[in-house]
Amino acid sequence: SQQGEEDPQALSIQEGENATMNCSYKTSINNLQWYRQNSGRGLVHLILIRSNEREKHSGRLRVTLDTSKKSSSLLITASRAADTASYFCATSLVDYKLSFGAGTTVTVRA
Amino acid sequence: DAGVIQSPRHEVTEMGQEVTLRCKPISGHDYLFWYRQTMMRGLELLIYFNNNVPIDDSGMPEDRFSAKMPNASFSTLKIQPSEPRDSAVYFCASSPPGVSYNEQFFGPGTRLTVL
Repeated sequence: SQQGEEDPQALSIQEGENATMNCSYKTSINNLQWYRQNSGRGLVHLILIRSNEREKHSGRLRVTLDTSKKSSSLLITASRAADTASYFCATSLVDYKLSFGAGTTVTVRA
Repeated sequence: DAGVIQSPRHEVTEMGQEVTLRCKPISGHDYLFWYRQTMMRGLELLIYFNNNVPIDDSGMPEDRFSAKMPNASFSTLKIQPSEPRDSAVYFCASSPPGVSYNEQFFGPGTRLTVL
């Protein structure tokens, strides 16, 4: 069963705008990762945040983690057409076993 | 450096036939994962290996599914006999040794259609 649930399911924004998506999970975790999947391709790792971290940045990506609320958010700033993809959060409790959410589909309009 | 390689990229078969999916992980990675992705169930972990040994196969749906990793550079996922509900995209991923929270590197997937 899926541990994480992304919200919203779909998001459409104009190029240059920011995109924010959220992930909620049910049980305690060691870390939370965000992945991107372009249409017809495999998943690509974006960023990992550990359970003892609250915020992390990577380029135009900003991830927050609130373990008390069991939630995380991914912010993509100054979006580009190339950011059009599905974004998944993945939680890990033990070892390498990842549990993926259903994903948020982001469409960036030119 | 080549990423995770999967073959075939597309497979169309008839119900009852045996299907074998193949994966070559990134050199030096000692974890290998098989996932299945469908619209209904999302991305599910089927099985994963460490140093060629299956660690957790609790996600394998039923006995029709089997996976092997005879060496560090090759793994197979076999479905015998295949059924229409097995239609999905199957991904292989690998991860390097080290701490338990390493990222996983995904292959391009095999799109399986069972008629």
